[in-house]
Amino acid sequence: KNQVEQSPQSLIILEGKNCTLQCNYTVSPFSNLRWYKQDTGRGPVSLTIMTFSENTKSNGRYTATLDADTKQSSLHITASQLSDSASYICVVSDDGGSQGNLIFGKGTKLSVKP
Amino acid sequence: NAGVTQTPKFQVLKTGQSMTLQCAQDMNHNSMYWYRQDPGMGLRLIYYSASEGTTDKGEVPNGYNVSRLNKREFSLRLESAAPSQTSVYFCASSATVSNSNQPQHFGDGTRLSIL
Repeated sequence: KNQVEQSPQSLIILEGKNCTLQCNYTVSPFSNLRWYKQDTGRGPVSLTIMTFSENTKSNGRYTATLDADTKQSSLHITASQLSDSASYICVVSDDGGSQGNLIFGKGTKLSVKP
Repeated sequence: NAGVTQTPKFQVLKTGQSMTLQCAQDMNHNSMYWYRQDPGMGLRLIYYSASEGTTDKGEVPNGYNVSRLNKREFSLRLESAAPSQTSVYFCASSATVSNSNQPQHFGDGTRLSIL
């Protein structure tokens, strides 16, 4: 069964510190992996999309990595800010059928404290 | 710069009532989607429309119907609401379908409570 597992479930860090969120997946066939940021009460916003051949992708202070061999991805946040407090969702797209499917993780809830 | 607009933002219904959730996008996207988000679970696909004139079932379609009114608008209807349909509903759109490298753009959700 296609699954996306994220860890940790929740994380509290101090403003200015770095952190790394993890995503493991068992999705086949693999098409791409996405990271979304979801602020409380808002819809998810796309941070990065990576295909099989991409190892690293950055979006400002956010850097995503992908190891397609071990089926793992991470999202690294540098010099955290209070506005980084949100849920971060890992999503994997399979290449099934004519449309593909998006398999969503449950998210990691990040709290950045002053 | 509206993106994806959902109405209403909040709604309370009684069991058995019906209602339609509205969604419109202004990005000229071909594909549109309806998801529900429940506590402790990932987003789950209800229905999607790969292009104007087509709709298909997702993971959890029971109890829902959809209409792709035109390229901009995609509505979700609950014919006879049940407490199990209490959730936050998100509409999303993308230029092309999920297995392309196009991001999905989400609205800010409709928070629906069914008593």
